[in-house]
Amino acid sequence: DQQVKQNSPSLSVQEGRISILNCDYTNSMFDYFLWYKKYPAEGPTFLISISSIKDKNEDGRFTVFLNKSAKHLSLHIVPSQPGDSAVYFCAASEYPSNTGKLIFGQGTTLQVKP
Amino acid sequence: EADIYQTPRYLVIGTGKKITLECSQTMGHDKMYWYQQDPGMELHLIHYSYGVNSTEKGDLSSESTVSRIRTEHFPLTLESARPSHTSQYLCASSEGRHYGDLSTDTQYFGPGTRLTVL
Repeated sequence: DQQVKQNSPSLSVQEGRISILNCDYTNSMFDYFLWYKKYPAEGPTFLISISSIKDKNEDGRFTVFLNKSAKHLSLHIVPSQPGDSAVYFCAASEYPSNTGKLIFGQGTTLQVKP
Repeated sequence: EADIYQTPRYLVIGTGKKITLECSQTMGHDKMYWYQQDPGMELHLIHYSYGVNSTEKGDLSSESTVSRIRTEHFPLTLESARPSHTSQYLCASSEGRHYGDLSTDTQYFGPGTRLTVL
């Protein structure tokens, strides 16, 4: 039973346009959500996070939106750049949790075309 | 951002060999994690540690073992490698931060070890 789902395996956008990556979750106890970017053969790089008390968090070109009633979050990248081409993972954690474990989605491969 | 290191980056070995994957972090984080990831799949937690002398198994069953003798070091060992162990192994650490009852704990990852067992 997958608690975090990224239903789009891939996304292709033109340079300069907006990229929107989506993520759904089923566990209502999740209270912290993160997005990571990963290149092949490298470790994930933390991009941006959002706590359940917020519905939006922005950092430069990256904005994460959280809709708790729909159990849905999205990552907006604007403007998209060719260097953004990578696999994007959303992840969620539940607190209180001594472990701080993260549950990851399957990832969405973003391709930004010049 | 945490400085977290993994060695080797790539490893190709034969079946039956014993291997140790190294992971070290310099940020003094109490919590450390090992994940396994195959292409096109999510990351699966295989081990974690709250601190020195604390280790727990993760959600995905693994034949590997870990130890945490020092805060900064969290090695993973496979006593007898098999082709089914071929995967990417990712180490992470976090401070264990929270804000009241809310988690604000961010994990930072090392570069990973790509293991191939022939």
